Amino acid sequence: EPEVTQTPSHQVTQMGQEVILRCVPISNHLYFYWYRQILGQKVEFLVSFYNNEISEKSEIFDDQFSVERPDGSNFTLKIRSTKLEDSAMYFCASWRQFLNTEAFFGQGTRLTVV
Amino acid sequence: AQSVTQLGSHVSVSEGALVLLRCNYSSSVPPYLFWYVQYPNQGLQLLLKYTTGATLVKGINGFEAEFKKSETSFHLTKPSAHMSDAAEYFCAVTDPGRAGTALIFGKGTTLSVSS
Repeated sequence: EPEVTQTPSHQVTQMGQEVILRCVPISNHLYFYWYRQILGQKVEFLVSFYNNEISEKSEIFDDQFSVERPDGSNFTLKIRSTKLEDSAMYFCASWRQFLNTEAFFGQGTRLTVV
Repeated sequence: AQSVTQLGSHVSVSEGALVLLRCNYSSSVPPYLFWYVQYPNQGLQLLLKYTTGATLVKGINGFEAEFKKSETSFHLTKPSAHMSDAAEYFCAVTDPGRAGTALIFGKGTTLSVSS
């Protein structure tokens, strides 16, 4: 069964450093997403990406964040100048097309900012 | 704007008892609704979904949910809880009229199952 793959599974970074979280969506999917889950809290939408551009973003997704699909397979989330409050589980999801009606989620990357 | 409210952040049941996890949604259009489960230190797994058609939908692991438009609800049930059902459950909604629009999640309900 196809799956969304995220790497690394866990990343520890120093405050102020830049991190890149990587995702390989399901190959024939068209819509890609990043979500964030701070420990003990709900899953929050960050950004969606379609046709090589951001289609929707939440208020959380400020200038500190950026997304890219550099090579047609990987989908990355870059966090510049990380803060302690960026510590969370980050989930990537992909969705083939709307009528397929469900998003597939990766296993997540746990980001710890120290 | 769409939103989801999950009543009860924590539900505890005994093994073999009925599981009922509540979800109410707010949407200006007929929504698509989903339940996802998250086991400890794992990702989100789809349990079931409602899009169109039959309002009672069956999912994996014996769970089912009923879409009730008049009550704006999509409660998740399972007749008999197993220890393995202990997890975090998230209800989510999306607008089918906007292609690719994001899922909006509720705050989640932690299900504990005791023997």
